[in-house]
Amino acid sequence: AQSVTQLGSHVSVSEGALVLLRCNYSSSVPPYLFWYVQYPNQGLQLLLKYTSAATLVKGINGFEAEFKKSETSFHLTKPSAHMSDAAEYFCAVSENTGFQKLVFGTGTRLLVSP
Amino acid sequence: DTGVSQDPRHKITKRGQNVTFRCDPISEHNRLYWYRQTLGQGPEFLTYFQNEAQLEKSRLLSDRFSAERPKGSFSTLEIQRTEQGDSAMYLCASSLIVGAYEQYFGPGTRLTVT
Repeated sequence: AQSVTQLGSHVSVSEGALVLLRCNYSSSVPPYLFWYVQYPNQGLQLLLKYTSAATLVKGINGFEAEFKKSETSFHLTKPSAHMSDAAEYFCAVSENTGFQKLVFGTGTRLLVSP
Repeated sequence: DTGVSQDPRHKITKRGQNVTFRCDPISEHNRLYWYRQTLGQGPEFLTYFQNEAQLEKSRLLSDRFSAERPKGSFSTLEIQRTEQGDSAMYLCASSLIVGAYEQYFGPGTRLTVT
Protein backbone atom coordinates (compact mmCIF):
# COMPACT_ATOMS: atom_id res chain seq x y z
CA ALA A 1 0.00 0.00 0.00
CA GLN A 2 1.10 3.51 -0.70
CA SER A 3 1.20 6.33 1.80
CA VAL A 4 2.38 9.91 2.15
CA THR A 5 3.62 11.73 5.23
CA GLN A 6 3.74 15.50 5.29
CA LEU A 7 5.78 16.81 8.21
CA GLY A 8 4.30 19.92 9.76
CA SER A 9 0.61 20.73 9.49
CA HIS A 10 1.50 24.44 9.47
CA VAL A 11 4.55 26.23 8.13
CA SER A 12 5.05 29.98 8.64
CA VAL A 13 7.46 32.08 6.59
CA SER A 14 8.04 35.75 5.97
CA GLU A 15 7.47 37.22 2.55
CA GLY A 16 10.67 36.77 0.54
CA ALA A 17 11.91 33.83 2.62
CA LEU A 18 12.58 30.30 1.42
CA VAL A 19 9.62 27.94 1.40
CA LEU A 20 10.27 24.28 2.25
CA LEU A 21 7.38 21.84 2.58
CA ARG A 22 8.32 18.27 3.38
CA CYS A 23 6.88 15.09 1.89
CA ASN A 24 7.96 11.49 2.40
CA TYR A 25 6.31 8.63 0.61
CA SER A 26 6.03 4.88 0.85
CA SER A 27 5.45 2.77 -2.23
CA SER A 28 6.18 -0.82 -3.16
CA VAL A 29 6.45 0.08 -6.84
CA PRO A 30 8.07 3.02 -8.61
CA PRO A 31 5.85 5.97 -7.81
CA TYR A 32 4.45 8.97 -9.51
CA LEU A 33 4.51 11.97 -7.16
CA PHE A 34 2.51 15.16 -7.22
CA TRP A 35 2.14 18.42 -5.35
CA TYR A 36 -1.24 20.15 -5.39
CA VAL A 37 -2.28 23.51 -3.93
CA GLN A 38 -5.73 24.27 -2.54
CA TYR A 39 -7.08 27.74 -1.83
CA PRO A 40 -10.03 28.12 0.57
CA ASN A 41 -13.26 26.56 -0.68
CA GLN A 42 -11.68 25.57 -3.98
CA GLY A 43 -10.54 22.40 -5.67
CA LEU A 44 -6.94 21.30 -6.07
CA GLN A 45 -4.56 22.79 -8.62
CA LEU A 46 -1.56 20.81 -9.80
CA LEU A 47 1.76 22.50 -9.01
CA LEU A 48 4.13 19.88 -10.38
CA LYS A 49 4.60 16.17 -10.95
CA TYR A 50 7.34 13.55 -11.01
CA THR A 51 6.82 10.68 -13.45
CA SER A 52 10.25 9.01 -13.55
CA ALA A 53 12.00 11.49 -15.81
CA ALA A 54 14.20 14.24 -14.33
CA THR A 55 14.50 14.07 -10.55
CA LEU A 56 14.36 17.86 -10.19
CA VAL A 57 10.94 18.99 -11.26
CA LYS A 58 9.92 22.58 -11.91
CA GLY A 59 6.31 23.63 -11.59
CA ILE A 60 4.13 26.67 -11.75
CA ASN A 61 4.50 29.84 -9.68
CA GLY A 62 8.22 29.28 -9.10
CA PHE A 63 7.87 26.03 -7.15
CA GLU A 64 10.13 23.04 -7.63
CA ALA A 65 10.62 19.64 -6.01
CA GLU A 66 13.36 17.03 -6.01
CA PHE A 67 12.71 13.29 -6.04
CA LYS A 68 15.20 11.47 -3.80
CA LYS A 69 14.69 7.73 -3.97
CA SER A 70 17.24 6.96 -1.25
CA GLU A 71 15.37 9.22 1.17
CA THR A 72 11.88 8.43 -0.19
CA SER A 73 11.30 12.17 -0.24
CA PHE A 74 9.75 14.73 -2.58
CA HIS A 75 10.09 18.06 -0.78
CA LEU A 76 8.59 21.23 -2.29
CA THR A 77 10.60 24.43 -2.35
CA LYS A 78 10.35 28.02 -3.54
CA PRO A 79 13.22 30.48 -3.17
CA SER A 80 11.12 33.51 -2.25
CA ALA A 81 7.63 33.39 -0.75
CA HIS A 82 4.86 35.71 -1.90
CA MET A 83 1.75 36.59 0.05
CA SER A 84 -0.28 34.88 -2.66
CA ASP A 85 1.42 31.54 -1.83
CA ALA A 86 -0.59 31.25 1.40
CA ALA A 87 -2.70 28.13 0.92
CA GLU A 88 -2.93 24.42 1.76
CA TYR A 89 -0.43 22.17 -0.01
CA PHE A 90 -0.93 18.45 -0.56
CA CYS A 91 1.62 15.86 -1.59
CA ALA A 92 0.22 12.80 -3.35
CA VAL A 93 1.54 9.50 -4.67
CA SER A 94 0.18 7.09 -7.23
CA GLU A 95 1.37 3.86 -8.77
CA ASN A 96 2.78 4.06 -12.28
CA THR A 97 0.50 1.22 -13.32
CA GLY A 98 -3.22 0.61 -13.22
CA PHE A 99 -5.63 3.46 -12.87
CA GLN A 100 -3.34 5.61 -10.76
CA LYS A 101 -5.58 6.64 -7.90
CA LEU A 102 -3.98 9.35 -5.82
CA VAL A 103 -3.10 8.82 -2.17
CA PHE A 104 -2.77 12.17 -0.42
CA GLY A 105 -0.99 13.37 2.66
CA THR A 106 -2.82 15.33 5.31
CA GLY A 107 -1.64 18.65 3.94
CA THR A 108 0.52 21.55 5.09
CA ARG A 109 -0.93 25.02 5.52
CA LEU A 110 1.55 27.68 4.43
CA LEU A 111 1.23 31.01 6.20
CA VAL A 112 3.09 34.01 4.74
CA SER A 113 3.59 37.13 6.84
CA PRO A 114 4.56 40.56 5.51
CA ASP B 1 -11.50 23.73 -22.43
CA THR B 2 -13.46 24.92 -19.43
CA GLY B 3 -11.99 22.51 -16.89
CA VAL B 4 -13.83 20.16 -14.56
CA SER B 5 -17.12 21.52 -13.26
CA GLN B 6 -19.23 20.35 -10.35
CA ASP B 7 -22.77 21.14 -9.34
CA PRO B 8 -23.95 22.21 -6.84
CA ARG B 9 -21.06 23.95 -5.11
CA HIS B 10 -22.78 23.77 -1.75
CA LYS B 11 -25.54 21.53 -0.44
CA ILE B 12 -27.18 21.61 2.99
CA THR B 13 -29.48 18.72 3.75
CA LYS B 14 -31.17 17.15 6.72
CA ARG B 15 -30.08 13.78 8.01
CA GLY B 16 -31.89 10.99 6.23
CA GLN B 17 -32.40 12.84 2.96
CA ASN B 18 -30.93 11.76 -0.37
CA VAL B 19 -28.56 14.01 -2.30
CA THR B 20 -27.06 13.84 -5.78
CA PHE B 21 -24.00 15.63 -7.11
CA ARG B 22 -22.93 16.08 -10.71
CA CYS B 23 -19.47 16.25 -12.25
CA ASP B 24 -18.64 17.29 -15.81
CA PRO B 25 -15.05 16.29 -16.68
CA ILE B 26 -12.76 17.81 -19.28
CA SER B 27 -14.32 16.70 -22.55
CA GLU B 28 -11.56 14.47 -23.92
CA HIS B 29 -10.75 12.80 -20.60
CA ASN B 30 -11.64 9.10 -20.37
CA ARG B 31 -11.00 8.68 -16.66
CA LEU B 32 -13.12 10.20 -13.91
CA TYR B 33 -12.48 9.98 -10.19
CA TRP B 34 -14.43 10.88 -7.06
CA TYR B 35 -12.68 11.81 -3.82
CA ARG B 36 -13.94 12.91 -0.42
CA GLN B 37 -12.16 15.48 1.74
CA THR B 38 -13.05 16.05 5.39
CA LEU B 39 -11.90 19.03 7.39
CA GLY B 40 -8.17 19.06 7.99
CA GLN B 41 -7.52 16.00 5.87
CA GLY B 42 -6.31 15.27 2.39
CA PRO B 43 -8.72 13.92 -0.21
CA GLU B 44 -9.51 10.20 -0.04
CA PHE B 45 -10.29 8.10 -3.10
CA LEU B 46 -13.90 6.91 -3.45
CA THR B 47 -14.36 5.51 -6.94
CA TYR B 48 -13.10 5.58 -10.52
CA PHE B 49 -14.57 5.30 -14.01
CA GLN B 50 -12.91 4.57 -17.30
CA ASN B 51 -15.38 5.75 -19.91
CA GLU B 52 -18.75 4.45 -18.62
CA ALA B 53 -17.37 1.52 -16.62
CA GLN B 54 -16.94 1.83 -12.87
CA LEU B 55 -13.73 -0.12 -12.33
CA GLU B 56 -12.80 0.48 -8.71
CA LYS B 57 -14.59 1.37 -5.48
CA SER B 58 -13.07 2.17 -2.12
CA ARG B 59 -14.19 0.54 1.09
CA LEU B 60 -15.17 4.09 2.07
CA LEU B 61 -18.01 3.85 -0.44
CA SER B 62 -20.76 2.28 1.66
CA ASP B 63 -23.96 0.81 0.24
CA ARG B 64 -25.60 4.21 0.66
CA PHE B 65 -23.30 5.65 -2.00
CA SER B 66 -23.75 5.05 -5.71
CA ALA B 67 -22.01 6.58 -8.68
CA GLU B 68 -22.77 6.47 -12.37
CA ARG B 69 -21.29 7.69 -15.60
CA PRO B 70 -23.96 6.60 -18.06
CA LYS B 71 -22.54 7.76 -21.38
CA GLY B 72 -18.92 8.11 -20.44
CA SER B 73 -19.27 11.85 -20.09
CA PHE B 74 -20.71 13.42 -16.91
CA SER B 75 -20.97 11.49 -13.66
CA THR B 76 -23.32 11.58 -10.70
CA LEU B 77 -22.68 10.63 -7.09
CA GLU B 78 -25.74 9.88 -4.99
CA ILE B 79 -25.83 9.50 -1.23
CA GLN B 80 -28.95 7.91 0.22
CA ARG B 81 -30.13 8.38 3.80
CA THR B 82 -27.45 10.93 4.57
CA GLU B 83 -25.71 10.89 7.95
CA GLN B 84 -23.83 13.67 9.72
CA GLY B 85 -20.62 11.80 9.03
CA ASP B 86 -21.18 12.33 5.32
CA SER B 87 -20.50 16.05 5.73
CA ALA B 88 -17.43 16.71 3.60
CA MET B 89 -16.15 18.22 0.37
CA TYR B 90 -16.76 15.87 -2.57
CA LEU B 91 -14.18 16.36 -5.29
CA CYS B 92 -14.27 15.13 -8.86
CA ALA B 93 -11.20 14.78 -11.06
CA SER B 94 -10.55 13.66 -14.61
CA SER B 95 -7.54 12.53 -16.59
CA LEU B 96 -6.44 10.99 -19.83
CA ILE B 97 -5.65 7.27 -20.02
CA VAL B 98 -2.23 7.83 -21.51
CA GLY B 99 0.25 10.63 -21.24
CA ALA B 100 1.14 12.66 -18.23
CA TYR B 101 -1.39 11.03 -15.89
CA GLU B 102 -2.13 14.17 -13.93
CA GLN B 103 -5.62 14.50 -12.57
CA TYR B 104 -7.47 17.78 -12.95
CA PHE B 105 -9.82 18.62 -10.12
CA GLY B 106 -13.12 20.44 -10.05
CA PRO B 107 -14.04 23.04 -7.41
CA GLY B 108 -15.85 20.46 -5.29
CA THR B 109 -19.29 20.17 -3.72
CA ARG B 110 -19.41 20.95 -0.02
CA LEU B 111 -22.07 18.85 1.71
CA THR B 112 -23.37 19.77 5.15
CA VAL B 113 -25.73 17.31 6.84
CA THR B 114 -27.69 18.81 9.73
